Amino acid sequence: KAGVTQTPRYLIKTRGQQVTLSCSPISGHRSVSWYQQTPGQGLQFLFEYFSETQRNKGNFPGRFSGRQFSNSRSEMNVSTLELGDSALYLCASNRGGEKETQYFGPGTRLLVL
Amino acid sequence: QKEVEQNSGPLSVPEGAIASLNCTYSDRGSQSFFWYRQYSGKSPELIMFIYSNGDKEDGRFTAQLNKASQYVSLLIRDSQPSDSATYLCAVNTLGSARQLTFGSGTQLTVLP
Repeated sequence: KAGVTQTPRYLIKTRGQQVTLSCSPISGHRSVSWYQQTPGQGLQFLFEYFSETQRNKGNFPGRFSGRQFSNSRSEMNVSTLELGDSALYLCASNRGGEKETQYFGPGTRLLVL
Repeated sequence: QKEVEQNSGPLSVPEGAIASLNCTYSDRGSQSFFWYRQYSGKSPELIMFIYSNGDKEDGRFTAQLNKASQYVSLLIRDSQPSDSATYLCAVNTLGSARQLTFGSGTQLTVLP
């Protein structure tokens, strides 16, 4: 079974620009969660999507948004980029059922200049 | 108080020794507990999950959970240099394992 794929793997943007990151979960997984990882704040939950609906949202500003498509692929968007948005953005594919488990993709490393 | 706390380390153990990693959490309602391993520059890799009090063993890894003490630990037996990584403890939030709260991680170095 193929793992979680994320594109692009690396990205350089400048302040004020916007960026869209993509994630394809493990086949059969219908839920996707997004996290931001920085040296200072660690891993922080952004949001979770299931069946094209956002079910949970972390404590991030409205500049961070996402969506999910009918094939479970998900995108997240960050508008008006700030220097502090430089981070590793991780997508997690969620195995549901009685023992839910998250499997992370390789991540997208975003650098904002 | 942080919701999930780990000793940041670094923790160094000699090759072949047992590495013990500890984690405490504040939400008594948490039901799902996970250990992830993260190599430098890579994404977290799930190595263990535990839902019930007691021990769960998988190869050289043993996860231990004590809900009364709000404590979860990971033991790595016969540590190898390839085990050198940051170990992240994660706990489910709001009843869902799709939204995890992570500790800051413990950096482990296994010395040859």
